[in-house]
Amino acid sequence: GQSLEQPSEVTAVEGAIVQINCTYQTSGFYGLSWYQQHDGGAPTFLSYNGLDGLEETGRFSSFLSRSDSYGYLLLQELQMKDSASYFCAVREKIYNQGGKLIFGQGTELSVKP
Amino acid sequence: SAVISQKPSRDICQRGTSLTIQCQVDSQVTMMFWYRQQPGQSLTLIATANQGSEATYESGFVIDKFPISRPNLTFSTLTVSNMSPEDSSIYLCSVRGISGANVLTFGAGSRLTVL
Repeated sequence: GQSLEQPSEVTAVEGAIVQINCTYQTSGFYGLSWYQQHDGGAPTFLSYNGLDGLEETGRFSSFLSRSDSYGYLLLQELQMKDSASYFCAVREKIYNQGGKLIFGQGTELSVKP
Repeated sequence: SAVISQKPSRDICQRGTSLTIQCQVDSQVTMMFWYRQQPGQSLTLIATANQGSEATYESGFVIDKFPISRPNLTFSTLTVSNMSPEDSSIYLCSVRGISGANVLTFGAGSRLTVL
């Protein structure tokens, strides 16, 4: 089975940089993904790391270290609209069907003016 | 990415009744995933629905409580049966994006409140 741990909440100010960590335990690892969910909205895909290293997409970056079973999401130049819940997720293989995504408990990010 | 329409968007239900949630996708997909999100919680996978075969349920979820239909490659339903207040949740259907198996596109969700 899989388990993921991430902080329950983080607070930062506009313009700052924040890092949301995720550690995982898995019997079969096929990559770490990040999703954003605004209050009342659907989760939306942000980033994916299949290999070690940093992936950058605009103000958001995601990092993975498979040897440490650890990853993080880095948000730069924070804006008020970044206030949301952020979930890390790992893919668990289902036979030959490509797998299912298991989500962490989520980190609620509050951006203050 | 796929566009998913889910309905109802929200409903208030009486204890002991059942409600069916519909999920329509604008493209053909092999697998559809049903998740539950209890208030303030994470997303928990209920089952994986494949067209033409029985859904695969996760531990803690059973077909009698959450029957799923998958009549074609663009549509699925999830029924929440014999509801109790503990079933008050957001139910979301999702499909894989064209970018690969690690990218899910979600419907807007169905927020059920059971009284």
